[in-house]
Formats: sequence, structure tokens, C-alpha cells
Amino acid sequence: DVKVTQSSRYLVKRTGEKVFLECVQDMDHENMFWYRQDPGLGLRLIYFSYDVKMKEKGDIPEGYSVSREKKERFSLILESASTNQTSMYLCASSARKGASFFGPGTRLTVL
Amino acid sequence: DQQVKQNSPSLSVQEGRISILNCDYTNSMFDYFLWYKKYPAEGPTFLISISSIKDKNEDGRFTVFLNKSAKHLSLHIVPSQPGDSAVYFCAAIGRGGSNYKLTFGKGTLLTVNP
Repeated sequence: DVKVTQSSRYLVKRTGEKVFLECVQDMDHENMFWYRQDPGLGLRLIYFSYDVKMKEKGDIPEGYSVSREKKERFSLILESASTNQTSMYLCASSARKGASFFGPGTRLTVL
Repeated sequence: DQQVKQNSPSLSVQEGRISILNCDYTNSMFDYFLWYKKYPAEGPTFLISISSIKDKNEDGRFTVFLNKSAKHLSLHIVPSQPGDSAVYFCAAIGRGGSNYKLTFGKGTLLTVNP
């Protein structure tokens, strides 16, 4: 079974803090993704990576950056957290073209 | 511009009956479609997919139908069970370019009443 794990299920941070969200997959997938889910807006793609050290902006990259130093690990960084970044963050991975498999999500609250 | 649309935000069905969830798309480059199910506070779970070379794919109680000319797909759940109550997302992948990137609809909340 594909396993995608995320470093935290729940996180509370203060405005202006730097926030790291980590994701690890164990299926040797080339592609990894970061989404956020907000009520009424569905899943929106923040960033994705199709190879180590490669990244591409998704639909809403502003205020975020990513890092992929190893194939199995994809990190999302909020340089200076703001209250409008309070959301559910979901990491996913997939093989070249196929279904993405998601982690359990991180509920981030920025106060 | 929303390329994958789920026009019904919610659907309520009686246990044992059929649930039909609909999805429309606008991008003719999409050639692979997927359905995901999501419970609150959990990540989405892959349910079923269909390639554009097919018009139907079945897996147990779940069947996905694709009508390419209408750019429409639907997910049928028969019979519906209370445990099926969740948000269902339709997603699509396109040919060429970023052909591994999923484009999601906004989701439909299905409630199956006992």
C-alpha cells in the first residue's frame, strides 16, 4: 500500500512565524504535490515537483515555497505565516501519470 | 476559469438507493479522470478512474461513466450506504505538458440517510 505521511496533523502558529510542513512517501513516486483545501473552494494546488530539485508553481503559490532534496520528501514552507493561510494542507504523490495518493492532511491555524 | 466543475455542492440519498454524482469539464486535453472520496479531517482517498478510451469503468458498487462528446462524467454508487457519506471530488489529467497534474472540481457532499 502507498503510504504518504505528513509531519503533523494539527499545528498552531503565530502570524509572521516561519512554518515547515513535511511530507514523505514510500512508493518511489516521481511526482509530489502540495494542496490546500478550504470550504467551498475544493483542493487548490500550491506547488508540485516532478523530480528531485525540480518544482513548478501551481495555482496559488504566493506566500509559499517548497523544497525537494530527496525523492521521498517534499517540504512546504510558509516564509511568514498569515491568518489567510489557515487551512487544511494536503500532500500527495503519484507515479508518472496516474492516481495521486494523499497523506492525512495538516490542519494549520495561524493566529 | 474552472476547468472541472461539480455543479451540485450537496446530494442527499436514502440508504439502498443509487447515488449519482456529476462532473463536467471544459478542457478537451483531459484524457484521464478520477474520483476521490474525502472524510472530514482526512486526506482524499482514490476511488476509481477512467481513461478517455473507455466510456465505463466498474469497481464493486462504484461505476464511472464518461461521455466525451458532452465532456461529462458521472459516478454511480449502488447501493448507497451510510458509510458513503463524504465529500466526493472529481479530477482530471491532461495530455502533454504537465500531464501528471490533477485538476480538481470543488466537490459534492454526499449524505446517505439510514
